[in-house]
Amino acid sequence: AQTVTQSQPEMSVQEAETVTLSCTYDTSESDYYLFWYKQPPSRQMILVIRQEAYKQQNATENRFSVNFQKAAKSFSLKISDSQLGDAAMYFCVITGTASKLTFGTGTRLQVTL
Amino acid sequence: EPEVTQTPSHQVTQMGQEVILRCVPISNHLYFYWYRQILGQKVEFLVSFYNNEISEKSEIFDDQFSVERPDGSNFTLKIRSTKLEDSAMYFCASSQGFNQPQHFGDGTRLSIL
Repeated sequence: AQTVTQSQPEMSVQEAETVTLSCTYDTSESDYYLFWYKQPPSRQMILVIRQEAYKQQNATENRFSVNFQKAAKSFSLKISDSQLGDAAMYFCVITGTASKLTFGTGTRLQVTL
Repeated sequence: EPEVTQTPSHQVTQMGQEVILRCVPISNHLYFYWYRQILGQKVEFLVSFYNNEISEKSEIFDDQFSVERPDGSNFTLKIRSTKLEDSAMYFCASSQGFNQPQHFGDGTRLSIL
């Protein structure tokens, strides 16, 4: 079984600042993938970034980057130069050989002026 | 950009009635999924579907639930004899391949009265 823990129910960041969302996970599989999904108030689930567990290099996608610590089973998301449109619920997600996604409980990010 | 579309956006049904939630996955995708999110709780996997059959299902997906791909475009979730606890947001997702990023629809909010 796979589990995902997000210990921060809510976070707040000022516009143009940087924020890091935490995530830890547990899996018995050696081959797995990690994702961050974003769910704005419009409720559509949007893929933010993807990390293959076999890759040591941290994934980046424009202002979004991850800090993947495989030994510690940690997968944090850093958002740089935060924008009002980044306000959303962020889910840390894992998938393994079964392809189904296992979600964390989410972190609600507020972006203030 | 191609999208997963779900209809209806909101469905209100009397307890005990049958309901069908509809999804049109992205056209060249081969893997299809249903997830649900009860208000205030995490997103939960229900079922995955590939090559016209269920590839995996969760404990939630009991005999009350069924999925079907009746034609080349639609992917449906049927809930028979609905219960109050079936009230949730139901998300459809599709992916191009195994462990490829899953693209989500906007969801159907199901309310059981």
